Amino acid sequence: KAGVTQTPRYLIKTRGQQVTLSCSPISGHRSVSWYQQTPGQGLQFLFEYFSETQRNKGNFPGRFSGRQFSNSRSEMNVSTLELGDSALYLCASRQSGYEGETQYFGPGTRLLVL
Amino acid sequence: DQQVKQNSPSLSVQEGRISILNCDYTNSMFDYFLWYKKYPAEGPTFLISISSIKDKNEDGRFTVFLNKSAKHLSLHIVPSQPGDSAVYFCAATPNAGNMLTFGGGTRLMVKP
Repeated sequence: KAGVTQTPRYLIKTRGQQVTLSCSPISGHRSVSWYQQTPGQGLQFLFEYFSETQRNKGNFPGRFSGRQFSNSRSEMNVSTLELGDSALYLCASRQSGYEGETQYFGPGTRLLVL
Repeated sequence: DQQVKQNSPSLSVQEGRISILNCDYTNSMFDYFLWYKKYPAEGPTFLISISSIKDKNEDGRFTVFLNKSAKHLSLHIVPSQPGDSAVYFCAATPNAGNMLTFGGGTRLMVKP
């Protein structure tokens, strides 16, 4: 079974631009979560989607948004990029979002904002 | 306010010895705890988890211990192998849900 895939793997943008990152979960997985990893703040939860609905949201500004499609693929969008948005963005999937299910992470998209 | 803390940023261990990685948490609502291993340029890989109804869970060379009264968990790796060298993150969640709160990570170096 293929793992979680994320595209692109690397991205360079400038301040003020917007960016869209893509995540394809493991086949059969319906829950997708997004995390941001930075040296200063560590790994932080952004949001979770299940069956095309946002189920949980972390403490991030509205510039960070996401969506999930009917095939469970998910995208996250960051508008009006700031230098501090430079980070590794990780996507994780799990089967149905029930208690105790393990989340499986993708390799991440490394975003650099100049 | 860090709800999950890994106070040792790095740990060096000789091959064959035991590695003990520690994690403390403050949120009493956390009831499910996980350990992930991360290599550079890769996403975290799940290692082992424990529910708050248990105080120990074992999987091969990996054992996680949970002390709820102290709000402390630890990961034991026995015996340690050079391939275990990576950054280890502990994570916690309430209701075994999806909102994982991660610690800052501990870099483990296992020397041959």
